[in-house]
Amino acid sequence: AQSVTQLDSHVSVSEGTPVLLRCNYSSSYSPSLFWYVQHPNKGLQLLLKYTSAATLVKGINGFEAEFKKSETSFHLTKPSAHMSDAAEYFCVVSDLASSASKIIFGSGTRLSIRP
Amino acid sequence: DADVTQTPRNRITKTGKRIMLECSQTKGHDRMYWYRQDPGLGLRLIYYSFDVKDINKGEISDGYSVSRQAQAKFSLSLESAIPNQTALYFCATSDSGRDRASQGTDTQYFGPGTRLTVL
Repeated sequence: AQSVTQLDSHVSVSEGTPVLLRCNYSSSYSPSLFWYVQHPNKGLQLLLKYTSAATLVKGINGFEAEFKKSETSFHLTKPSAHMSDAAEYFCVVSDLASSASKIIFGSGTRLSIRP
Repeated sequence: DADVTQTPRNRITKTGKRIMLECSQTKGHDRMYWYRQDPGLGLRLIYYSFDVKDINKGEISDGYSVSRQAQAKFSLSLESAIPNQTALYFCATSDSGRDRASQGTDTQYFGPGTRLTVL
């Protein structure tokens, strides 16, 4: 069965410091993994995705994530936080290629940026 | 994303009323999805459709129904609304690549959301 766990419901960092949002997944197949961002009162926007190519995935706005199969993790990082990064972030595991056809969203991590 | 539109954007209704939420897309994608978002629970899949003749139940389909009127349109209905259906509802699309004989992607493109309140 598929599942995704975002380990922190809220992360607060100072502007200019690194960001780490943690995500662990469970899948019986070879899933696709995504990070989406949702700014207040907005829809979701794709940040980046992993689809069995390079394990280090670069996304928009300076974010990147590393797929670690041994740790079943797909943590999102950014070297230096900006005020505009304040938003909710969702880790998603998707396996539409299998008969299970599952898309599972994590519960979200709210990122706050301190001036 | 203006390529995926949802109507209405906000709706307040009463218990027992029938409600329809509509989604349209101009992206030419074959797959469409309906989700609800509740605080602390992320997004949960209600129904999804891989083409006009294909409708599938998601994680939380009870109390909901859908209709895929055309490739570009996917509507969600609450036959008899109840207060615990108060939530933010999102429509999304993705491209399987089937029409171009190429590998598609699971990337989803979301509409702006519909905030539904059931009193």
